[in-house]
Amino acid sequence: GEDVEQSLFLSVREGDSSVINCTYTDSSSTYLYWYKQEPGAGLQLLTYIFSNMDMKQDQRLTVLLNKKDKHLSLRIADTQTGDSAIYFCAEEVTGFQKLVFGTGTRLLVSP
Amino acid sequence: DGGITQSPKYLFRKEGQNVTLSCEQNLNHDAMYWYRQDPGQGLRLIYYSQIVNDFQKGDIAEGYSVSREKKESFPLTVTSAQKNPTAFYLCASSSEGFYEQYFGPGTRLTVT
Repeated sequence: GEDVEQSLFLSVREGDSSVINCTYTDSSSTYLYWYKQEPGAGLQLLTYIFSNMDMKQDQRLTVLLNKKDKHLSLRIADTQTGDSAIYFCAEEVTGFQKLVFGTGTRLLVSP
Repeated sequence: DGGITQSPKYLFRKEGQNVTLSCEQNLNHDAMYWYRQDPGQGLRLIYYSQIVNDFQKGDIAEGYSVSREKKESFPLTVTSAQKNPTAFYLCASSSEGFYEQYFGPGTRLTVT
Protein backbone atom coordinates (compact mmCIF):
# COMPACT_ATOMS: atom_id res chain seq x y z
CA GLY A 1 0.00 0.00 0.00
CA GLU A 2 0.87 3.63 -0.03
CA ASP A 3 3.28 4.87 2.60
CA VAL A 4 4.61 8.38 2.95
CA GLU A 5 7.45 8.90 5.40
CA GLN A 6 8.81 12.00 7.08
CA SER A 7 11.16 12.66 9.95
CA LEU A 8 9.22 13.65 13.05
CA PHE A 9 11.04 16.71 14.27
CA LEU A 10 13.24 19.60 13.09
CA SER A 11 14.61 22.45 15.14
CA VAL A 12 16.19 25.58 13.60
CA ARG A 13 17.10 29.11 14.61
CA GLU A 14 15.22 32.13 13.30
CA GLY A 15 16.75 33.34 10.04
CA ASP A 16 18.19 29.93 9.10
CA SER A 17 16.86 27.78 6.28
CA SER A 18 14.73 24.74 7.10
CA VAL A 19 14.62 21.62 4.95
CA ILE A 20 11.85 19.11 5.51
CA ASN A 21 12.13 15.79 3.71
CA CYS A 22 9.59 13.24 2.55
CA THR A 23 9.68 9.91 0.71
CA TYR A 24 6.63 8.62 -1.09
CA THR A 25 5.65 5.42 -2.88
CA ASP A 26 3.23 6.11 -5.74
CA SER A 27 5.37 6.98 -8.75
CA SER A 28 2.26 7.74 -10.81
CA SER A 29 1.10 10.63 -8.60
CA THR A 30 0.49 13.64 -10.83
CA TYR A 31 0.93 16.17 -8.03
CA LEU A 32 2.62 16.10 -4.64
CA TYR A 33 1.60 18.46 -1.89
CA TRP A 34 2.87 20.25 1.19
CA TYR A 35 0.45 21.23 3.94
CA LYS A 36 1.01 23.24 7.14
CA GLN A 37 -0.85 22.70 10.41
CA GLU A 38 -0.70 25.21 13.24
CA PRO A 39 -1.56 24.06 16.78
CA GLY A 40 -5.20 23.03 17.19
CA ALA A 41 -6.10 23.95 13.61
CA GLY A 42 -6.85 22.30 10.31
CA LEU A 43 -4.36 21.83 7.49
CA GLN A 44 -3.55 24.64 5.09
CA LEU A 45 -2.24 23.93 1.60
CA LEU A 46 1.19 25.55 1.26
CA THR A 47 2.28 24.51 -2.18
CA TYR A 48 2.33 21.64 -4.62
CA ILE A 49 4.52 20.41 -7.44
CA PHE A 50 3.62 18.78 -10.71
CA SER A 51 5.35 15.44 -11.17
CA ASN A 52 7.19 16.45 -14.34
CA MET A 53 8.95 19.30 -12.51
CA ASP A 54 12.16 19.09 -10.54
CA MET A 55 11.75 22.30 -8.63
CA LYS A 56 9.15 24.91 -7.79
CA GLN A 57 9.79 28.19 -6.01
CA ASP A 58 7.12 30.24 -4.30
CA GLN A 59 8.47 33.20 -2.31
CA ARG A 60 10.35 31.71 0.67
CA LEU A 61 9.34 28.16 -0.23
CA THR A 62 11.27 25.87 -2.58
CA VAL A 63 10.05 22.38 -3.40
CA LEU A 64 12.48 19.86 -4.86
CA LEU A 65 11.34 16.60 -6.42
CA ASN A 66 13.54 13.61 -7.19
CA LYS A 67 11.26 11.17 -8.99
CA LYS A 68 13.90 8.50 -9.34
CA ASP A 69 14.33 8.27 -5.58
CA LYS A 70 10.69 9.24 -4.82
CA HIS A 71 12.00 12.01 -2.60
CA LEU A 72 10.34 15.34 -1.99
CA SER A 73 11.69 18.22 0.07
CA LEU A 74 10.42 21.59 1.26
CA ARG A 75 12.93 24.35 1.92
CA ILE A 76 11.85 27.40 3.88
CA ALA A 77 14.26 30.30 3.52
CA ASP A 78 14.75 32.84 6.33
CA THR A 79 12.66 30.77 8.72
CA GLN A 80 10.55 32.80 11.15
CA THR A 81 9.01 31.88 14.51
CA GLY A 82 5.62 32.01 12.79
CA ASP A 83 6.75 29.08 10.64
CA SER A 84 6.68 26.81 13.71
CA ALA A 85 4.06 24.20 12.87
CA ILE A 86 3.64 20.64 11.64
CA TYR A 87 4.33 20.13 7.94
CA PHE A 88 2.76 17.27 6.01
CA CYS A 89 3.62 16.00 2.56
CA ALA A 90 0.94 14.13 0.64
CA GLU A 91 0.77 12.01 -2.48
CA GLU A 92 -2.20 11.22 -4.70
CA VAL A 93 -3.65 7.73 -4.79
CA THR A 94 -3.88 7.19 -8.52
CA GLY A 95 -7.35 6.25 -9.70
CA PHE A 96 -9.04 7.36 -6.48
CA GLN A 97 -9.72 10.94 -5.59
CA LYS A 98 -7.80 10.83 -2.34
CA LEU A 99 -4.46 11.69 -0.76
CA VAL A 100 -2.13 9.81 1.53
CA PHE A 101 -0.45 12.00 4.11
CA GLY A 102 2.89 11.55 5.78
CA THR A 103 3.22 11.45 9.55
CA GLY A 104 4.14 15.13 9.65
CA THR A 105 7.33 16.94 10.65
CA ARG A 106 7.12 19.26 13.63
CA LEU A 107 9.22 22.37 12.92
CA LEU A 108 10.33 24.40 15.92
CA VAL A 109 11.89 27.79 15.23
CA SER A 110 13.71 29.41 18.12
CA PRO A 111 14.58 33.11 18.33
CA ASP B 1 -16.60 33.68 2.61
CA GLY B 2 -16.27 30.19 1.18
CA GLY B 3 -14.98 27.47 3.39
CA ILE B 4 -15.50 24.41 5.52
CA THR B 5 -17.01 24.57 8.97
CA GLN B 6 -16.85 21.92 11.65
CA SER B 7 -18.77 22.07 14.86
CA PRO B 8 -18.30 21.98 17.70
CA LYS B 9 -14.60 22.68 18.22
CA TYR B 10 -14.53 20.58 21.41
CA LEU B 11 -16.85 17.70 22.21
CA PHE B 12 -17.04 15.57 25.34
CA ARG B 13 -18.94 12.31 25.60
CA LYS B 14 -19.30 9.40 27.95
CA GLU B 15 -18.17 5.98 26.82
CA GLY B 16 -20.95 3.98 25.19
CA GLN B 17 -22.66 6.98 23.59
CA ASN B 18 -22.79 7.64 19.86
CA VAL B 19 -21.78 11.13 18.81
CA THR B 20 -22.15 12.97 15.48
CA LEU B 21 -19.62 15.47 14.20
CA SER B 22 -20.78 18.10 11.76
CA CYS B 23 -19.02 19.15 8.54
CA GLU B 24 -20.45 21.70 6.13
CA GLN B 25 -18.87 23.28 3.04
CA ASN B 26 -19.98 26.07 0.73
CA LEU B 27 -17.22 25.61 -1.83
CA ASN B 28 -19.49 23.61 -4.17
CA HIS B 29 -17.04 20.73 -3.91
CA ASP B 30 -18.17 17.26 -4.91
CA ALA B 31 -15.79 15.22 -2.75
CA MET B 32 -15.61 15.26 1.05
CA TYR B 33 -13.38 13.42 3.50
CA TRP B 34 -13.06 12.57 7.18
CA TYR B 35 -9.69 12.06 8.82
CA ARG B 36 -8.61 11.15 12.29
CA GLN B 37 -5.41 12.61 13.74
CA ASP B 38 -3.56 11.12 16.70
CA PRO B 39 -0.23 12.43 18.00
CA GLY B 40 2.71 11.15 15.96
CA GLN B 41 0.50 9.26 13.50
CA GLY B 42 -0.39 11.86 10.92
CA LEU B 43 -3.80 11.76 9.26
CA ARG B 44 -5.71 8.55 8.71
CA LEU B 45 -8.65 8.43 6.32
CA ILE B 46 -11.94 7.25 7.86
CA TYR B 47 -14.47 7.72 5.03
CA TYR B 48 -14.74 9.71 1.85
CA SER B 49 -17.49 10.60 -0.55
CA GLN B 50 -17.03 11.62 -4.17
CA ILE B 51 -20.69 12.32 -4.86
CA VAL B 52 -23.99 12.74 -3.06
CA ASN B 53 -25.52 9.47 -1.78
CA ASP B 54 -22.27 7.58 -2.23
CA PHE B 55 -19.29 7.05 0.08
CA GLN B 56 -16.35 4.68 0.51
CA LYS B 57 -14.52 3.32 3.51
CA GLY B 58 -11.06 4.62 4.18
CA ASP B 59 -8.31 2.92 6.13
CA ILE B 60 -9.93 2.99 9.57
CA ALA B 61 -13.73 2.92 9.01
CA GLU B 62 -14.58 0.43 11.77
CA GLY B 63 -16.71 2.02 14.48
CA TYR B 64 -17.65 5.01 12.31
CA SER B 65 -20.55 5.79 9.98
CA VAL B 66 -21.31 8.61 7.55
CA SER B 67 -24.06 9.90 5.31
CA ARG B 68 -24.02 12.18 2.28
CA GLU B 69 -27.58 13.31 1.64
CA LYS B 70 -26.60 16.81 0.56
CA LYS B 71 -23.61 18.07 -1.38
CA GLU B 72 -22.77 20.57 1.34
CA SER B 73 -22.86 18.21 4.31
CA PHE B 74 -20.95 15.09 5.37
CA PRO B 75 -21.64 14.23 9.03
CA LEU B 76 -19.57 11.60 10.82
CA THR B 77 -21.00 9.44 13.60
CA VAL B 78 -18.59 7.92 16.07
CA THR B 79 -20.36 4.86 17.41
CA SER B 80 -19.90 3.06 20.70
CA ALA B 81 -18.16 0.30 18.71
CA GLN B 82 -15.14 2.56 18.13
CA LYS B 83 -12.68 1.32 20.73
CA ASN B 84 -10.55 4.43 21.08
CA PRO B 85 -12.56 7.42 19.87
CA THR B 86 -10.65 10.21 21.61
CA ALA B 87 -8.86 12.10 18.81
CA PHE B 88 -8.81 15.20 16.64
CA TYR B 89 -11.17 14.84 13.67
CA LEU B 90 -10.65 16.76 10.45
CA CYS B 91 -13.04 17.19 7.55
CA ALA B 92 -11.87 18.17 4.07
CA SER B 93 -13.30 18.69 0.61
CA SER B 94 -12.05 18.82 -2.95
CA SER B 95 -13.41 19.70 -6.35
CA GLU B 96 -14.24 16.95 -8.86
CA GLY B 97 -11.16 15.71 -10.64
CA PHE B 98 -8.77 17.55 -8.33
CA TYR B 99 -6.85 16.00 -5.47
CA GLU B 100 -6.07 19.26 -3.66
CA GLN B 101 -8.05 19.23 -0.43
CA TYR B 102 -9.30 22.09 1.73
CA PHE B 103 -9.63 21.45 5.44
CA GLY B 104 -11.95 22.56 8.19
CA PRO B 105 -10.69 23.69 11.62
CA GLY B 106 -11.26 20.28 13.24
CA THR B 107 -13.22 18.89 16.19
CA ARG B 108 -11.43 17.54 19.24
CA LEU B 109 -13.47 14.67 20.68
CA THR B 110 -12.82 13.41 24.19
CA VAL B 111 -14.58 10.28 25.39
CA THR B 112 -14.30 9.29 29.04
